[in-house]
Amino acid sequence: KNQVEQSPQSLIILEGKNCTLQCNYTVSPFSNLRWYKQDTGRGPVSLTIMTFSENTKSNGRYTATLDADTKQSSLHITASQLSDSASYICVVSRQGAGANNLFFGTGTRLTVIP
Amino acid sequence: EPEVTQTPSHQVTQMGQEVILRCVPISNHLYFYWYRQILGQKVEFLVSFYNNEISEKSEIFDDQFSVERPDGSNFTLKIRSTKLEDSAMYFCASSDLGGGYNEQFFGPGTRLTVL
Repeated sequence: KNQVEQSPQSLIILEGKNCTLQCNYTVSPFSNLRWYKQDTGRGPVSLTIMTFSENTKSNGRYTATLDADTKQSSLHITASQLSDSASYICVVSRQGAGANNLFFGTGTRLTVIP
Repeated sequence: EPEVTQTPSHQVTQMGQEVILRCVPISNHLYFYWYRQILGQKVEFLVSFYNNEISEKSEIFDDQFSVERPDGSNFTLKIRSTKLEDSAMYFCASSDLGGGYNEQFFGPGTRLTVL
């Protein structure tokens, strides 16, 4: 069964600290993995995308890693800011042309406190 | 920066009523999508639309749902007879190309509450 699991479900950290969010998936055959940031009341916005051959990708203070062998990904946030408070969603694409090949995780809700 | 817009932001309706959720995709995009997210659950794919017809739909997208692109800019989702379990956040998305690698740009969502 194609599934995407994220942990932790929620996380509270102090401003300026680092954190790492986890994503495990069973989607097969794998095409790519994308991390989205979803602010409260807004739609998801893509942060990074990685294909099978990529094992790390950075976007500013966000760094995503991918281990396609163990089917795990992580999103590391460095020097967190209050504006990082949001849900972070891992989305894995299965090979194939259609949108029905996207599998969403339930997200990790991150709260950054001053 | 171009963005997907959705109206209304919040819709409250009585069970059994028809609702139409509206979306304006990014202007040069060709692929359009509807997703829903029940509170506390995952985002779920409903339907994709290309070249004025449905290209894919999930098992959630039953006969109660329909989509339309009535003009060159709007993309609508109609629920004919709403049920309590239709209460959710509905997201519209668009992309310039199809396929899983091409980024879909999401709108802010419409929160549908069915009483």
